[in-house]
Amino acid sequence: GAVVSQHPSRVICKSGTSVKIECRSLDFQATTMFWYRQFPKQSLMLMATSNEGSKATYEQGVEKDKFLINHASLTLSTLTVTSAHPEDSSFYICSASPGTGYEQYFGPGTRLTVT
Amino acid sequence: QKEVEQDPGPLSVPEGAIVSLNCTYSNSAFQYFMWYRQYSRKGPELLMYTYSSGNKEDGRFTAQVDKSSKYISLFIRDSQPSDSATYLCAMIDDYKLSFGAGTTVTVRA
Repeated sequence: GAVVSQHPSRVICKSGTSVKIECRSLDFQATTMFWYRQFPKQSLMLMATSNEGSKATYEQGVEKDKFLINHASLTLSTLTVTSAHPEDSSFYICSASPGTGYEQYFGPGTRLTVT
Repeated sequence: QKEVEQDPGPLSVPEGAIVSLNCTYSNSAFQYFMWYRQYSRKGPELLMYTYSSGNKEDGRFTAQVDKSSKYISLFIRDSQPSDSATYLCAMIDDYKLSFGAGTTVTVRA
């Protein structure tokens, strides 16, 4: 149980375009979903927290207009990287929690490359 | 100073050895302590979590928490090549997870 999927697993896009990443909890309802990014050989950095039906809470330094998060249902959250630039290239990982966040189950990640 | 400090290694051990990993932290508000395993280009997988000080054992894995010293450890007994991965400690304050940098472990056959 507690499976979280992400789609796509890998995406390459041109600078200036937007990219949407989906995160789904497959066998449980996720009250809370989290988005992280991870640079090579570095740890995961929390970008934002989203609760179903409400606006996401962004961490300090994360541009909410650039990283749009929608938690449309209890099993789906999306992250849209708008007007992507090469510095946005990273590994984006979502996690989902059936509660308030003590148990988080991670997706397999999405590798974004912006050329 | 980072909230969670973890030596990134790398750590290389022969098969069958005990792997010892640890993290220190500065935030006394951390309540839950976790260890995640992350294979290359994959998301983290929860190995163990604990709430209180003391030991918790699960198969070949033992997690220790010492809240008075703000120090947590993970031990892997009888290590196998399949244990080769990056191990991340993580801690929760309220709902927010703070991760250590991760220690890369290689178990040599």
